[in-house]
Amino acid sequence: EAQVTQNPRYLITVTGKKLTVTCSQNMNHEYMSWYRQDPGLGLRQIYYSMNVEVTDKGDVPEGYKVSRKEKRNFPLILESPSPNQTSLYFCASSSSRAPLGGELFFGEGSRLTVL
Amino acid sequence: DQQVKQNSPSLSVQEGRISILNCDYTNSMFDYFLWYKKYPAEGPTFLISISSIKDKNEDGRFTVFLNKSAKHLSLHIVPSQPGDSAVYFCAASLNNAGNMLTFGGGTRLMVKP
Repeated sequence: EAQVTQNPRYLITVTGKKLTVTCSQNMNHEYMSWYRQDPGLGLRQIYYSMNVEVTDKGDVPEGYKVSRKEKRNFPLILESPSPNQTSLYFCASSSSRAPLGGELFFGEGSRLTVL
Repeated sequence: DQQVKQNSPSLSVQEGRISILNCDYTNSMFDYFLWYKKYPAEGPTFLISISSIKDKNEDGRFTVFLNKSAKHLSLHIVPSQPGDSAVYFCAASLNNAGNMLTFGGGTRLMVKP
């Protein structure tokens, strides 16, 4: 089954404790990205990757890091989480040959709470 | 400043009636628009899209209309069903940038039986 898998789905942590949210896709997609969803603000892009070893900042990259060492994996790293990073996070992927506008396939989301 | 806006955070409609969800954008360079649907505890899923060279695209009960001069698009669901109750996000793409989308804030649709 084609899917984007995120882990963990739920996490409560404390300020400053490094954490990683993993993302893996089994569709051989070139493009992967991370979004955060906050009330009234919709989905805002954090980072994206056009292919292995190619990453770039989205609209809200501050406080986050990513890496793309393998095509299927795109982890999101919070080196020193702060309460304003409490949010619902989504990983997404798509084929570079997707229709114009990029139909994205999303994971189920990771709800992160930073105390 | 948000380039894609959904000014109605929620909408309630009776089953069988039409649901109309609206979306406005400010960047005239956007050339492709999409609607995503999101159920609780799930990721968004692609629903329907439209290219800026068209003014209408239809897929079953779902139709998207694009008014470029007004920088406005809308999603019509006819007839609405209780299973359509979800949050709907509109999104826009810039200059064939393909996978980079700008999303609106979402509209929660509730279809009452």
